[in-house]
Amino acid sequence: GAVVSQHPSWVICKSGTSVKIECRSLDFQATTMFWYRQFPKQSLMLMATSNEGSKATYEQGVEKDKFLINHASLTLSTLTVTSAHPEDSSFYICSARDPSGANEQYFGPGTRLTVT
Amino acid sequence: AQRVTQPEKLLSVFKGAPVELKCNYSYSGSPELFWYVQYSRQRLQLLLRHISRESIKGFTADLNKGETSFHLKKPFAQEEDSAMYYCALKAGGYQKVTFGTGTKLQVIP
Repeated sequence: GAVVSQHPSWVICKSGTSVKIECRSLDFQATTMFWYRQFPKQSLMLMATSNEGSKATYEQGVEKDKFLINHASLTLSTLTVTSAHPEDSSFYICSARDPSGANEQYFGPGTRLTVT
Repeated sequence: AQRVTQPEKLLSVFKGAPVELKCNYSYSGSPELFWYVQYSRQRLQLLLRHISRESIKGFTADLNKGETSFHLKKPFAQEEDSAMYYCALKAGGYQKVTFGTGTKLQVIP
């Protein structure tokens, strides 16, 4: 199946700094990518839908100025957590939709962010 | 608004016993339902979708619109089935997928 990668897999940053997480579709072009957040032992919560070449659509309650999403190419979307705080510590997962075939979403392995 | 409910956080069964992971949904239109699985230290992956009417790794799931359910079943559990299972709903033509809270399946040898 198709592969989606994320980088980094784990990052620790100090409170107040910004962190960028990359999501790449390795063998297909993804016009749409999704960013999720997963707290320990909880489900995935959709944060935003990222469409190549246009602004991301954020879910209710997600601060767009804090979680900056850029989808500059068909294989890359980035999530930047700005001015990170300890409460932003979480597992961030991206998925990419393969428009060919069954239109399936493929998930990245996730990025664990720890803000100290 | 769409919602997916998985009432059990943990389901423990003995190897060889039948398994049923419950999933109920609420959505006013025609949904697409999925089951995703996440094995230990692995990424989330699609297990099956209702429109395919397929059996994957011995698992099946039937969409019951009357009961708004999409329970996942397997007649004989295997140890390698131990994982986290998420029921998910995709609403109509939109690509947004809503996940349930997940059920951890533990198969006891």
